Amino acid sequence: QVQLVQSGVEVKKPGASVKVSCKTSGYTLSGYYMNWVRQAPGQGLEWMGWISPDSGGTNYAQKFQDRVTMTRDTSTSTAYMELRSLRSDDTAVYYCARNWAFDSWGQGTLVTVSS
Amino acid sequence: DIVMTQAPLSLSVTPGQPASISCKSSQSLLHNNGKTFVYWFLQKPGQPPQLLIYELSKRFSGVPDRFSGSGSGTDFTLKISRVEAEDVGVYYCMQNIRPPPTFGGGTKVEI
Repeated sequence: QVQLVQSGVEVKKPGASVKVSCKTSGYTLSGYYMNWVRQAPGQGLEWMGWISPDSGGTNYAQKFQDRVTMTRDTSTSTAYMELRSLRSDDTAVYYCARNWAFDSWGQGTLVTVSS
Repeated sequence: DIVMTQAPLSLSVTPGQPASISCKSSQSLLHNNGKTFVYWFLQKPGQPPQLLIYELSKRFSGVPDRFSGSGSGTDFTLKISRVEAEDVGVYYCMQNIRPPPTFGGGTKVEI
């Protein structure tokens, strides 16, 4: 079955970068777009962008345009999201979610930004 | 960006009774291909969201038939015909007719 397994908890200082991975199985990564969504503590869902796994093309939310990079490695069926210049308000759970319908989600990666 | 507005913010329900959640979009979600790009998710406590309904009214694989989606244009509804204890959590609507995809603020359903 389709599975998206994300990397573990991260604790970062303000100004640092974080790179979250999302390893897929049960389907061909190159066949489906991958979205990244974040959820601040007690808050709703915020779309960050997507990557086309076959072409590597990306579409980022304007809010993150200058700080985020989404990549993929088709050889390991893994998608990545890197966020730079972290601030305290980047503290959130980060999810990968497959396809236009967000039909499968990773378990989430908690990123805490604190000095 | 398209704004998605959900109501109510919270809902207390009795098992076996029906429940309904409203979602309104700031623009029509009807595509010229005839599909309506509204989705519904349930986020159970401590879990990622899970897809319930896609393209207005299509139940995702494994979703019980007590869940149904309806509506048109800018007004949408998720209905649970008979609420069960496992249905508690936060429900989100989402539009994906054009980027960026945007979510409603969520409706918390409690028993």
